[in-house]
Amino acid sequence: GQQVMQIPQYQHVQEGEDFTTYCNSSTTLSNIQWYKQRPGGHPVFLIQLVKSGEVKKQKRLTFQFGEAKKNSSLHITATQTTDVGTYFCAGLIQGAQKLVFGQGTRLTINP
Amino acid sequence: DGGITQSPKYLFRKEGQNVTLSCEQNLNHDAMYWYRQDPGQGLRLIYYSQIVNDFQKGDIAEGYSVSREKKESFPLTVTSAQKNPTAFYLCASSIDLASGSYNEQFFGPGTRLTVL
Repeated sequence: GQQVMQIPQYQHVQEGEDFTTYCNSSTTLSNIQWYKQRPGGHPVFLIQLVKSGEVKKQKRLTFQFGEAKKNSSLHITATQTTDVGTYFCAGLIQGAQKLVFGQGTRLTINP
Repeated sequence: DGGITQSPKYLFRKEGQNVTLSCEQNLNHDAMYWYRQDPGQGLRLIYYSQIVNDFQKGDIAEGYSVSREKKESFPLTVTSAQKNPTAFYLCASSIDLASGSYNEQFFGPGTRLTVL
């Protein structure tokens, strides 16, 4: 079936190190969204990317959408303890009307 | 204060019993969704609704049922036919499912269901 794969599943870093999570789809996506779920919380929308090759920044977070609209990445520069949580990508498969979520990347940080 | 509410936060049920999870939104959103989250996994779509009195099955609808009698409410019933119902259930809403665009989903706080 239609799948959105996300890697790595877990990532542990020292505070101040960078972090990247990658999202890959087997089919072309209309757009991709990113969500953050704090421990014990619910997912919260971060951003949506629509255009091929699009790059968006939110302070220390950089989001990219691949040229073929099949992959995306989230990069955090100089992580802080507030960045702890699970980051999910969610892609809208072209022709469908529902989001398909990746498995998420759980980020833990050593202060 | 606008948002999505789910109740209860924790729910315990005996095996073989049906249970209904509540989801209410006052955001005036047309679309509502139910997801299931298992430890270390992503969100899997159970059911979604684009408009009142209409809903569609998601990827794992077996053993679940929903209704959408009011725009603001989208309750989920976990039936005894669901083989492994213990999970974290998340309700979400978005403005609409208009083709050609897609809107962010707003999530409720979730209900953690444990079947004993």
